Amino acid sequence: SQQGEEDPQALSIQEGENATMNCSYKTSINNLQWYRQNSGRGLVHLILIRSNEREKHSGRLRVTLDTSKKSSSLLITASRAADTASYFCATDSSYKLIFGSGTRLLVRP
Amino acid sequence: NAGVTQTPKFQVLKTGQSMTLQCAQDMNHEYMSWYRQDPGMGLRLIHYSVGAGITDQGEVPNGYNVSRSTTEDFPLRLLSAAPSQTSVYFCASSYLDRGIAGGGNEQFFGPGTRLTVL
Repeated sequence: SQQGEEDPQALSIQEGENATMNCSYKTSINNLQWYRQNSGRGLVHLILIRSNEREKHSGRLRVTLDTSKKSSSLLITASRAADTASYFCATDSSYKLIFGSGTRLLVRP
Repeated sequence: NAGVTQTPKFQVLKTGQSMTLQCAQDMNHEYMSWYRQDPGMGLRLIHYSVGAGITDQGEVPNGYNVSRSTTEDFPLRLLSAAPSQTSVYFCASSYLDRGIAGGGNEQFFGPGTRLTVL
């Protein structure tokens, strides 16, 4: 079974709104990563947060990590139509990167 | 830099045939891995390698073999293709952090190989 589970499975928002995706996992981790996948394409790395970090920012992205709850969230602020994609969290432990099932984000113009 | 390259882009096999999916990277990354992605799902780890000569199993290794004779190349072999192996296969690579908070880093993904087994 997959380590990370994203919530919601699908999200539809208006351009300019914020999008929040959540990820829960089961075992201890070294780091947690978020990736984006446009339809039919390879994955693109967005941000990595290590187990000893609580929050990280990159441009319009904000990631939080709560190791006590084994959960993470990805916030995309001021969304754009180009943000439409699937977003995956991936947990890294013992050199294995295990992906969740993803959140499909649709940003309506 | 070409990054991570995968060949072929598309492949159709008959049940029982064998083939090798090629993956190469030119970033001198220690870590390489193979994933499969089925429709509407996330990626599942097949095999991974932390350096030349070292490979290990991921979540779904059955039916697949790998080897890592060089840092650059990490081929994936399907021994006897089955319809259940119809999927999109992605190869990825990264630097390794062997420190206290060791583990992977940003993974660079190839464009994928779309495999259909009839």
